[in-house]
Amino acid sequence: KAGVTQTPRYLIKTRGQQVTLSCSPISGHRSVSWYQQTPGQGLQFLFEYFSETQRNKGNFPGRFSGRQFSNSRSEMNVSTLELGDSALYLCASSLVGFDGYTFGSGTRLTVV
Amino acid sequence: AQTVTQSQPEMSVQEAETVTLSCTYDTSESDYYLFWYKQPPSRQMILVIRQEAYKQQNATENRFSVNFQKAAKSFSLKISDSQLGDAAMYFCACLTNAGGTSYGKLTFGQGTILTVHP
Repeated sequence: KAGVTQTPRYLIKTRGQQVTLSCSPISGHRSVSWYQQTPGQGLQFLFEYFSETQRNKGNFPGRFSGRQFSNSRSEMNVSTLELGDSALYLCASSLVGFDGYTFGSGTRLTVV
Repeated sequence: AQTVTQSQPEMSVQEAETVTLSCTYDTSESDYYLFWYKQPPSRQMILVIRQEAYKQQNATENRFSVNFQKAAKSFSLKISDSQLGDAAMYFCACLTNAGGTSYGKLTFGQGTILTVHP
């Protein structure tokens, strides 16, 4: 059974650019959540999607957005990148949520 | 809102010994779930153990067990017979049905770095 797949693994972008990260959940999982991990702030929740609908959103500016497709694959987009957006972005999927989330290996975004 | 606190930034243990990682949480929800995740240098978060708040029995997964004290809002992880492969960052996390919408948001603690000495 394939795990959660995130692409790309590494990304370097320039301030002001935008970026799109992709996440393919475990087959059959309909809930997909995104987290930002930094040394200073730790793991912070970005948003959660279920059946193409955003059900929860964290305290991030509107530059951070996401979506989920009918096959449950999800993308997150960050526009007008800032240096502070440099982080490890983790995607996680679950069948119903309380059964536990399985995480991908993350995308390491560096903004220069 | 939920908060999760891990008061031990770093812990170390000798191989084959036992170590306990501490975690306290706070939530106003009556229905919630608690987890321990492990993040090795490969950076992939791995689910170690899960506890349902409504169950009094402590969860156990092979060498990993928890001490769940609901009244004290404490959720510690005990690793028995520690192995070199247990070395990683360990995160405690709480999952609630946020406002009745979904079990979609994990709140994490700051993490504890575990070092295992041969």
